[in-house]
Amino acid sequence: QKEVEQNSGPLSVPEGAIASLNCTYSDRGSQSFFWYRQYSGKSPELIMFIYSNGDKEDGRFTAQLNKASQYVSLLIRDSQPSDSATYLCAVPLYNQGGKLIFGQGTELSVKP
Amino acid sequence: DAGVTQSPTHLIKTRGQQVTLRCSPISGHKSVSWYQQVLGQGPQFIFQYYEKEERGRGNFPDRFSARQFPNYSSELNVNALLLGDSALYLCASSWGGKQNYQPQHFGDGTRLSIL
Repeated sequence: QKEVEQNSGPLSVPEGAIASLNCTYSDRGSQSFFWYRQYSGKSPELIMFIYSNGDKEDGRFTAQLNKASQYVSLLIRDSQPSDSATYLCAVPLYNQGGKLIFGQGTELSVKP
Repeated sequence: DAGVTQSPTHLIKTRGQQVTLRCSPISGHKSVSWYQQVLGQGPQFIFQYYEKEERGRGNFPDRFSARQFPNYSSELNVNALLLGDSALYLCASSWGGKQNYQPQHFGDGTRLSIL
């Protein structure tokens, strides 16, 4: 089992819809969870992070954690064509300093 | 405030050569991590340094080495380059701390091509 898994997609949604991106992780001791957005040819950009104490909403983005199922999700409301990118889920391993383990990324395409 | 800066942006080398990549963290950040990203995959952890000490090492051969300087900047060195080392090399910085669960912020990366 991979330490962090995402559906590679592509996930296609119409403009204005809700995009739902999912990530599962294997380390039960994980305390924080990060979502990065990566445009083609660019470096990852941090867009959301949550800690194990709860969900978080920031503008059109909501990150949700289900610790029992070891599952993290990112919801993008009112999706825009500019949201088209690869979304990477990353989890620092517990007790291994800041070693970030990334999923393979989900490609999102928002159609006008 | 300046973000994470990396140099050079692009590099072309031949097999067997050596390369040094450089990174300056966000002001105030004491931890620097290096990642390798090949096309179609998520970044793979290479090293993390905090306060000039190596905190973690990924599953990379000894040809890969790094260090952190007193001003918290860092260098990644790769010796005896192989074709498979062609990738985007990313540097990320964070505040650091005991367990370092803080978010890591990435630079623009160095794209290394091996001929």
